[in-house]
Amino acid sequence: NAGVTQTPKFQVLKTGQSMTLQCAQDMNHEYMSWYRQDPGMGLRLIHYSVGAGITDQGEVPNGYNVSRSTTEDFPLRLLSAAPSQTSVYFCASSYSGQDGNTIYFGEGSWLTVV
Amino acid sequence: AQSVTQLDSHVSVSEGTPVLLRCNYSSSYSPSLFWYVQHPNKGLQLLLKYTSAATLVKGINGFEAEFKKSETSFHLTKPSAHMSDAAEYFCVVSDRDATNKLIFGTGTLLAVQP
Repeated sequence: NAGVTQTPKFQVLKTGQSMTLQCAQDMNHEYMSWYRQDPGMGLRLIHYSVGAGITDQGEVPNGYNVSRSTTEDFPLRLLSAAPSQTSVYFCASSYSGQDGNTIYFGEGSWLTVV
Repeated sequence: AQSVTQLDSHVSVSEGTPVLLRCNYSSSYSPSLFWYVQHPNKGLQLLLKYTSAATLVKGINGFEAEFKKSETSFHLTKPSAHMSDAAEYFCVVSDRDATNKLIFGTGTLLAVQP
């Protein structure tokens, strides 16, 4: 399924470990973003990018880093994992057209920090 | 600033009866509005999207939503619930600004009783 590819789908980390969630899109979209989903809180924006070389913080950026060296890729790095980062992570890419914004989501990455 | 309020965290209906999931929003710009559905341990599926072409938006699986600017509402309805509709539903707003950021509601869990 071309579109937004997230890896890994499942991951268990120990507290203090680092890891990178990968996100790639093949639609040449300028906009990409990362969300985390926690029970009762919907999805919250972690970081976003409006183009290669440009990133900015969202609502819950602490503990995460991003970079956007190419249009296609937008990896999310956990620098030192904490149990509070146990969550489901979704990557999205989107474009803005005459009919508004069109968004594509990856299938999600389930992360557990023990 | 954007915000979304889903007025009910849980809704329970009987199979064959109407479904109403309520959503109010605030937006500084002319917004795009979305409803997404998420089945347990699955990703996000787009039900429908409002951009500005028509205030009554028809989506997949018999769902529709009406954009009411005067009430800042975008409620989701379906005439007759099916067991397969049991899932969590998210109302989402996106301003048509330079960032394409999405703001999610906290979700409504729909239960369908036989």
